[in-house]
Amino acid sequence: GQQLNQSPQSMFIQEGEDVSMNCTSSSIFNTWLWYKQDPGEGPVLLIALYKAGELTSNGRLTAQFGITRKDSFLNISASIPSDVGIYFCAGVLYGQNFVFGPGTRLSVLP
Amino acid sequence: DGGITQSPKYLFRKEGQNVTLSCEQNLNHDAMYWYRQDPGQGLRLIYYSQIVNDFQKGDIAEGYSVSREKKESFPLTVTSAQKNPTAFYLCASSMQLHSNQPQHFGDGTRLSIL
Repeated sequence: GQQLNQSPQSMFIQEGEDVSMNCTSSSIFNTWLWYKQDPGEGPVLLIALYKAGELTSNGRLTAQFGITRKDSFLNISASIPSDVGIYFCAGVLYGQNFVFGPGTRLSVLP
Repeated sequence: DGGITQSPKYLFRKEGQNVTLSCEQNLNHDAMYWYRQDPGQGLRLIYYSQIVNDFQKGDIAEGYSVSREKKESFPLTVTSAQKNPTAFYLCASSMQLHSNQPQHFGDGTRLSIL
């Protein structure tokens, strides 16, 4: 079946630093989604991308839909303590179920 | 506020016991889903439903059962046949099945074995 890879698996950064993470697949997708999950909570949608090459921002977050349609990137600028959590990507291909990545665990050091 | 409500937040199961996890949504979504999340892993699909009285097995349906008698409700039963039920269970919904509209999640139920 389809699988998504996320890197890095985990990361520790200093408050104020910028963060980059990515999601890759051997399959193409029509839509990429990025979610954030706080401990003990459900994932919350951050950004949705619907077109290859699309670059979308949500506050300090910026995500891009790779032009090959096989990858996506999420950047967080000027990280703050509440950015701590697990960031999941999800790929969607028309007519099929969502595929979720294993997540990138972000820790922010004060 | 529109959203997805899962209950209970924490649940304990005894050996040989069936337990039911509740999921209710007021988003008027047609499609609903159940996922299992284990520590350090992604989401694995248990069951999903496109519409009332219809549901399909996901990747790890063995030991679980569901019903969809109302559009708003999609309860999950963890049966005694599920030998390793300890996990975090997430319910989600979307406007339609197999569309590119995002799934929205509840806050989860953590199931543990006594």
